[in-house]
Amino acid sequence: AQTVTQSQPEMSVQEAETVTLSCTYDTSESDYYLFWYKQPPSRQMILVIRQEAYKQQNATENRFSVNFQKAAKSFSLKISDSQLGDAAMYFCAYSSSNTGKLIFGQGTTLQVKP
Amino acid sequence: DVKVTQSSRYLVKRTGEKVFLECVQDMDHENMFWYRQDPGLGLRLIYFSYDVKMKEKGDIPEGYSVSREKKERFSLILESASTNQTSMYLCASNFALLYGTEAFFGQGTRLTVV
Repeated sequence: AQTVTQSQPEMSVQEAETVTLSCTYDTSESDYYLFWYKQPPSRQMILVIRQEAYKQQNATENRFSVNFQKAAKSFSLKISDSQLGDAAMYFCAYSSSNTGKLIFGQGTTLQVKP
Repeated sequence: DVKVTQSSRYLVKRTGEKVFLECVQDMDHENMFWYRQDPGLGLRLIYFSYDVKMKEKGDIPEGYSVSREKKERFSLILESASTNQTSMYLCASNFALLYGTEAFFGQGTRLTVV
């Protein structure tokens, strides 16, 4: 069975600085997808970034980028130039390419200090 | 805009009651998911469905059942609600034929069992 682990329950960053959120996962599959989702206080889950396992190139979306290390089964999220609106809970997620099953980690609460 | 709608944002039920949580999506998604979200535990998958009348157990199916009679609707049933089922419940959906596509979420239902 696949698992996703986020070992940082809480992180904080100063506005305009950079922060990295960690995620590790375990799977025996070779093809899969990884995601970072953001959940602000409104509770609405929003996709931040997506990575296909077969792609070596790290995904980037504006100020958000990932460091995908397939051999190490590591998938961290880097937020550059942090903004107050980035404050939220962030979830790392894994999607099986065989079944479509989508599982999440424990979440990391990010605080952004002005 | 994709919409995933959960029938209630807040629900209070008594121990032993049968509880139905309803989720409807309007994007013709094959996959639908039910999660519960608890502090420190993240999102845990209860059940998911990849087609009408098809379902797969997630990581914590005990005490729950599901029903998917129509493609757009996925119901979570608590046969006999207990206080340890007090939680936030999130529904999500995505396309099955394109694995790794973005999942869209409802607003969540905060269920309190007293």
